[in-house]
Amino acid sequence: GNSVTQMEGPVTLSEEAFLTINCTYTATGYPSLFWYVQYPGEGLQLLLKATKADDKGSNKGFEATYRKETTSFHLEKGSVQVSDSAVYFCALPFNQAGTALIFGKGTTLSVSS
Amino acid sequence: KAGVTQTPRYLIKTRGQQVTLSCSPISGHRSVSWYQQTPGQGLQFLFEYFSETQRNKGNFPGRFSGRQFSNSRSEMNVSTLELGDSALYLCASSSSGTGFYGYTFGSGTRLTVV
Repeated sequence: GNSVTQMEGPVTLSEEAFLTINCTYTATGYPSLFWYVQYPGEGLQLLLKATKADDKGSNKGFEATYRKETTSFHLEKGSVQVSDSAVYFCALPFNQAGTALIFGKGTTLSVSS
Repeated sequence: KAGVTQTPRYLIKTRGQQVTLSCSPISGHRSVSWYQQTPGQGLQFLFEYFSETQRNKGNFPGRFSGRQFSNSRSEMNVSTLELGDSALYLCASSSSGTGFYGYTFGSGTRLTVV
């Protein structure tokens, strides 16, 4: 089955700093790739997605590019805010049928003012 | 458009009891998945239902079961609760269930077993 490896946290940044959270995957074929975010005490929210190679997903200033050559889907943001403090998960379908998702371990981001 | 609704939000149960959690998917979504989230194991897939049929099951003991009704609402049941079952249980729904567009998650049910 498919698998995903995500950089461990926590990541601590000052406001307006640049953010990168690394995610690499192993998959059969070219599945859709996702970043989810979880704010304290809440469920998961879809942050962005890419459905094919070289696609760039973007939302709320976050971006991630589907790189099939390096099997990566790194999350980036040019200038983080305190409100971005959360846990970020990289995910992809765990089989070709895509009937469920497999998640990375999650990266905790803490942004201070 | 209403999101994925999970009830109850919080639950405290005693070891050995059983519990039923409920999930109402987004209207029109026929696929419902369940996940367990714990600090140690992270997010783990429990099972997935599509049109009342279980299509996939994760690596959990038989104490964990689920079902889906004709209106796509889903329930999961955990019997003979153990302390290790304390977790956030998340439900997610999808229109096609193929993972192509992703899944929409509910806010979860926080289960504490004492």
